[in-house]
Amino acid sequence: GENVEQHPSTLSVQEGDSAVIKCTYSDSASNYFPWYKQELGKRPQLIIDIRSNVGEKKDQRIAVTLNKTAKHFSLHITETQPEDSAVYFCAAITWGGNEKLTFGTGTRLTIIP
Amino acid sequence: NAGVMQNPRHLVRRRGQEARLRCSPMKGHSHVYWYRQLPEEGLKFMVYLQKENIIDESGMPKERFSAEFPKEGPSILRIQQVVRGDSAAYFCASSPGGDEQFFGPGTRLTVL
Repeated sequence: GENVEQHPSTLSVQEGDSAVIKCTYSDSASNYFPWYKQELGKRPQLIIDIRSNVGEKKDQRIAVTLNKTAKHFSLHITETQPEDSAVYFCAAITWGGNEKLTFGTGTRLTIIP
Repeated sequence: NAGVMQNPRHLVRRRGQEARLRCSPMKGHSHVYWYRQLPEEGLKFMVYLQKENIIDESGMPKERFSAEFPKEGPSILRIQQVVRGDSAAYFCASSPGGDEQFFGPGTRLTVL
């Protein structure tokens, strides 16, 4: 089955700086890669996603890149703000296959004012 | 369009009791997924259901756990004879099929 690894487990950055979180996956059939943000005691919220036919996707301060050959994808947050502090999870899924999300272990991002 | 609904939000049970967790998917969504999140950990897939069918239960413990999604009404995750290790947040997600999964607020189960 799919295995997703995520690094780092914790990340602290100064407000205004950029944050990068990296994930690798094992199943070459995976074709959809969402990122979720989870604040303490809240539900995971989808913040951006990328499909395997695309190499990069951007939404304002958030971008995701995908390298299918190397089987890794990354989340980039620019101009970080205090409200970006949360736990971020990457995930992978095979549409048309098992259709269940396999999550990484999470990155606790802290923005230092 | 209301989001995914889960109830109860918090559930306290003593060891040996039964826990019933409910999930109402978003309107128009016929695919329901249950995930479990242990404290300070990521989410782990448990079961994937469509109306009246279990599609994939590979993440469900073989004993004490069961799930259903009847033709009418919410999806139910049932845990019999709960143990302390069952304490976790249980999240339900729904999708219209072949698209993003949207999560409910979760049920936080505490076993005393």
